[in-house]
Amino acid sequence: GNSVTQMEGPVTLSEEAFLTINCTYTATGYPSLFWYVQYPGEGLQLLLKATKADDKGSNKGFEATYRKETTSFHLEKGSVQVSDSAVYFCALSGYSSASKIIFGSGTRLSIRP
Amino acid sequence: DAGVTQSPTHLIKTRGQQVTLRCSPKSGHDTVSWYQQALGQGPQFIFQYYEEEERQRGNFPDRFSGHQFPNYSSELNVNALLLGDSALYLCASSWGSAGGSNEQFFGPGTRLTVL
Repeated sequence: GNSVTQMEGPVTLSEEAFLTINCTYTATGYPSLFWYVQYPGEGLQLLLKATKADDKGSNKGFEATYRKETTSFHLEKGSVQVSDSAVYFCALSGYSSASKIIFGSGTRLSIRP
Repeated sequence: DAGVTQSPTHLIKTRGQQVTLRCSPKSGHDTVSWYQQALGQGPQFIFQYYEEEERQRGNFPDRFSGHQFPNYSSELNVNALLLGDSALYLCASSWGSAGGSNEQFFGPGTRLTVL
Protein backbone atom coordinates (compact mmCIF):
# COMPACT_ATOMS: atom_id res chain seq x y z
CA GLY A 1 0.00 0.00 0.00
CA ASN A 2 0.91 3.66 -0.13
CA SER A 3 3.24 4.98 2.55
CA VAL A 4 5.47 7.90 3.51
CA THR A 5 8.80 7.73 5.31
CA GLN A 6 10.38 10.86 6.68
CA MET A 7 13.48 11.76 8.59
CA GLU A 8 13.20 11.15 12.29
CA GLY A 9 13.65 14.01 14.66
CA PRO A 10 14.08 15.96 16.64
CA VAL A 11 16.15 18.28 14.49
CA THR A 12 17.79 21.22 16.24
CA LEU A 13 19.39 24.04 14.24
CA SER A 14 20.68 27.52 14.88
CA GLU A 15 18.87 30.52 13.42
CA GLU A 16 19.82 31.21 9.76
CA ALA A 17 21.02 27.62 9.21
CA PHE A 18 20.06 25.62 6.12
CA LEU A 19 17.29 23.08 6.62
CA THR A 20 16.64 19.77 4.88
CA ILE A 21 14.03 17.28 6.03
CA ASN A 22 14.06 14.12 3.96
CA CYS A 23 10.89 12.42 2.76
CA THR A 24 10.42 9.41 0.50
CA TYR A 25 7.21 7.75 -0.54
CA THR A 26 5.80 4.50 -1.91
CA ALA A 27 2.70 4.80 -4.05
CA THR A 28 0.94 3.41 -7.06
CA GLY A 29 -0.02 5.80 -9.78
CA TYR A 30 0.70 9.51 -9.55
CA PRO A 31 0.00 10.86 -6.07
CA SER A 32 0.00 14.47 -4.98
CA LEU A 33 2.62 15.29 -2.37
CA PHE A 34 2.29 17.69 0.55
CA TRP A 35 4.16 19.17 3.47
CA TYR A 36 2.01 20.10 6.46
CA VAL A 37 3.19 22.03 9.52
CA GLN A 38 1.84 21.84 13.06
CA TYR A 39 2.83 24.73 15.33
CA PRO A 40 2.62 24.18 19.10
CA GLY A 41 -1.00 24.08 20.22
CA GLU A 42 -2.37 24.51 16.70
CA GLY A 43 -3.90 22.33 14.01
CA LEU A 44 -2.30 21.15 10.79
CA GLN A 45 -1.63 23.75 8.12
CA LEU A 46 -0.75 23.03 4.53
CA LEU A 47 2.73 24.42 3.91
CA LEU A 48 3.18 23.49 0.24
CA LYS A 49 2.18 20.91 -2.32
CA ALA A 50 3.12 19.46 -5.69
CA THR A 51 0.78 17.51 -7.93
CA LYS A 52 3.05 16.05 -10.62
CA ALA A 53 6.61 15.01 -11.26
CA ASP A 54 9.21 17.82 -11.31
CA ASP A 55 6.75 20.31 -9.81
CA LYS A 56 8.24 22.52 -7.12
CA GLY A 57 6.05 23.60 -4.25
CA SER A 58 7.07 26.71 -2.31
CA ASN A 59 5.76 28.85 0.52
CA LYS A 60 7.24 31.06 3.27
CA GLY A 61 10.78 30.36 2.01
CA PHE A 62 10.29 26.59 2.10
CA GLU A 63 10.63 24.52 -1.07
CA ALA A 64 10.19 20.88 -2.09
CA THR A 65 10.50 19.25 -5.52
CA TYR A 66 8.49 16.19 -6.59
CA ARG A 67 11.14 13.68 -7.74
CA LYS A 68 9.48 10.64 -9.27
CA GLU A 69 12.76 8.95 -10.18
CA THR A 70 13.85 8.88 -6.53
CA THR A 71 10.31 8.88 -5.04
CA SER A 72 11.29 11.81 -2.85
CA PHE A 73 9.89 15.16 -1.74
CA HIS A 74 12.54 16.68 0.53
CA LEU A 75 11.73 19.93 2.35
CA GLU A 76 14.35 22.70 2.26
CA LYS A 77 14.76 26.24 3.54
CA GLY A 78 17.83 28.39 3.07
CA SER A 79 17.72 30.30 6.37
CA VAL A 80 15.50 29.14 9.22
CA GLN A 81 14.02 31.38 11.89
CA VAL A 82 12.97 30.69 15.47
CA SER A 83 9.35 31.00 14.32
CA ASP A 84 9.85 27.92 12.09
CA SER A 85 9.99 25.71 15.19
CA ALA A 86 7.17 23.19 14.70
CA VAL A 87 6.43 19.61 13.65
CA TYR A 88 6.57 18.98 9.90
CA PHE A 89 4.64 16.18 8.19
CA CYS A 90 5.24 14.84 4.72
CA ALA A 91 2.09 13.40 3.15
CA LEU A 92 0.61 12.01 -0.05
CA SER A 93 -2.82 11.71 -1.53
CA GLY A 94 -4.42 10.38 -4.66
CA TYR A 95 -5.53 12.82 -7.34
CA SER A 96 -9.24 12.49 -6.59
CA SER A 97 -11.23 14.68 -4.22
CA ALA A 98 -12.27 11.45 -2.48
CA SER A 99 -8.68 10.54 -1.66
CA LYS A 100 -7.48 10.14 1.89
CA ILE A 101 -4.19 11.68 3.00
CA ILE A 102 -1.40 9.39 4.19
CA PHE A 103 1.02 11.06 6.56
CA GLY A 104 4.57 10.38 7.66
CA SER A 105 5.35 10.22 11.36
CA GLY A 106 6.48 13.84 11.58
CA THR A 107 9.78 15.62 12.24
CA ARG A 108 10.05 18.00 15.18
CA LEU A 109 12.19 21.04 14.33
CA SER A 110 13.61 23.35 16.99
CA ILE A 111 15.50 26.52 16.07
CA ARG A 112 17.90 28.11 18.58
CA PRO A 113 18.21 31.92 18.56
CA ASP B 1 -14.46 32.69 6.73
CA ALA B 2 -14.39 30.71 9.99
CA GLY B 3 -12.45 27.78 8.60
CA VAL B 4 -12.93 24.29 10.02
CA THR B 5 -14.19 24.29 13.60
CA GLN B 6 -14.27 21.41 16.08
CA SER B 7 -15.82 20.91 19.48
CA PRO B 8 -15.06 20.31 22.23
CA THR B 9 -11.41 21.32 22.47
CA HIS B 10 -10.60 18.83 25.21
CA LEU B 11 -12.45 15.84 26.60
CA ILE B 12 -11.74 13.37 29.40
CA LYS B 13 -13.56 10.03 29.50
CA THR B 14 -13.14 6.70 31.27
CA ARG B 15 -12.74 3.28 29.71
CA GLY B 16 -15.96 1.81 28.36
CA GLN B 17 -17.68 5.16 27.90
CA GLN B 18 -18.88 6.59 24.62
CA VAL B 19 -17.88 9.95 23.11
CA THR B 20 -19.15 12.22 20.33
CA LEU B 21 -16.93 14.78 18.61
CA ARG B 22 -18.24 17.48 16.28
CA CYS B 23 -16.93 19.24 13.21
CA SER B 24 -18.15 22.09 11.02
CA PRO B 25 -16.47 22.29 7.62
CA LYS B 26 -15.05 25.34 5.95
CA SER B 27 -17.64 27.41 4.07
CA GLY B 28 -18.25 25.96 0.61
CA HIS B 29 -16.93 22.50 1.47
CA ASP B 30 -19.13 19.41 1.37
CA THR B 31 -16.77 16.62 2.42
CA VAL B 32 -15.49 15.83 5.89
CA SER B 33 -12.65 13.47 6.77
CA TRP B 34 -11.63 12.38 10.26
CA TYR B 35 -8.11 11.50 11.41
CA GLN B 36 -6.66 10.18 14.66
CA GLN B 37 -3.27 11.54 15.74
CA ALA B 38 -1.64 9.63 18.59
CA LEU B 39 1.04 11.43 20.57
CA GLY B 40 4.25 11.72 18.55
CA GLN B 41 2.70 10.17 15.44
CA GLY B 42 1.30 11.36 12.15
CA PRO B 43 -2.47 11.49 11.65
CA GLN B 44 -4.19 8.24 10.61
CA PHE B 45 -7.26 8.30 8.36
CA ILE B 46 -10.45 7.08 10.04
CA PHE B 47 -13.18 7.73 7.44
CA GLN B 48 -14.61 10.28 5.03
CA TYR B 49 -18.18 11.51 4.63
CA TYR B 50 -19.71 12.92 1.46
CA GLU B 51 -23.39 13.45 0.68
CA GLU B 52 -24.24 12.16 4.18
CA GLU B 53 -22.67 8.76 3.47
CA GLU B 54 -19.38 7.16 4.45
CA ARG B 55 -17.38 7.23 1.23
CA GLN B 56 -14.29 5.40 2.42
CA ARG B 57 -12.86 4.04 5.63
CA GLY B 58 -9.43 3.44 7.10
CA ASN B 59 -8.31 0.55 9.26
CA PHE B 60 -10.37 1.34 12.36
CA PRO B 61 -12.81 -0.96 14.20
CA ASP B 62 -16.58 -0.60 14.08
CA ARG B 63 -16.47 1.14 17.46
CA PHE B 64 -15.66 4.21 15.39
CA SER B 65 -18.70 5.52 13.55
CA GLY B 66 -19.77 8.80 12.08
CA HIS B 67 -22.51 10.85 10.62
CA GLN B 68 -22.84 13.79 8.26
CA PHE B 69 -25.77 16.18 8.41
CA PRO B 70 -27.49 18.01 5.54
CA ASN B 71 -25.54 21.18 6.40
CA TYR B 72 -22.32 19.13 5.85
CA SER B 73 -21.29 19.18 9.52
CA SER B 74 -20.19 15.87 10.93
CA GLU B 75 -19.91 13.83 14.11
CA LEU B 76 -17.43 11.15 15.10
CA ASN B 77 -18.66 8.63 17.65
CA VAL B 78 -16.45 6.20 19.54
CA ASN B 79 -18.05 3.45 21.65
CA ALA B 80 -16.52 1.31 24.39
CA LEU B 81 -13.52 3.59 24.79
CA LEU B 82 -10.09 2.05 25.31
CA LEU B 83 -7.00 3.66 26.78
CA GLY B 84 -5.46 3.47 23.32
CA ASP B 85 -8.15 5.77 21.93
CA SER B 86 -6.47 8.69 23.70
CA ALA B 87 -5.36 10.99 20.87
CA LEU B 88 -5.93 14.24 19.02
CA TYR B 89 -8.86 13.82 16.64
CA LEU B 90 -8.65 16.00 13.57
CA CYS B 91 -11.39 16.91 11.18
CA ALA B 92 -10.60 18.03 7.65
CA SER B 93 -12.91 19.45 5.02
CA SER B 94 -12.70 19.64 1.25
CA TRP B 95 -14.79 20.09 -1.88
CA GLY B 96 -15.65 16.52 -2.76
CA SER B 97 -17.64 16.75 -5.94
CA ALA B 98 -16.30 15.68 -9.32
CA GLY B 99 -13.34 17.83 -10.23
CA GLY B 100 -12.80 18.92 -6.66
CA SER B 101 -9.30 19.36 -5.31
CA ASN B 102 -7.66 16.72 -3.11
CA GLU B 103 -6.52 19.48 -0.75
CA GLN B 104 -7.99 19.21 2.73
CA PHE B 105 -8.23 21.95 5.37
CA PHE B 106 -7.80 20.88 8.96
CA GLY B 107 -9.45 22.02 12.17
CA PRO B 108 -7.60 22.54 15.46
CA GLY B 109 -8.60 19.11 16.75
CA THR B 110 -10.22 17.63 19.84
CA ARG B 111 -7.87 16.22 22.45
CA LEU B 112 -9.45 13.05 23.92
CA THR B 113 -8.01 11.52 27.07
CA VAL B 114 -9.27 8.12 28.20
CA LEU B 115 -8.53 7.21 31.83
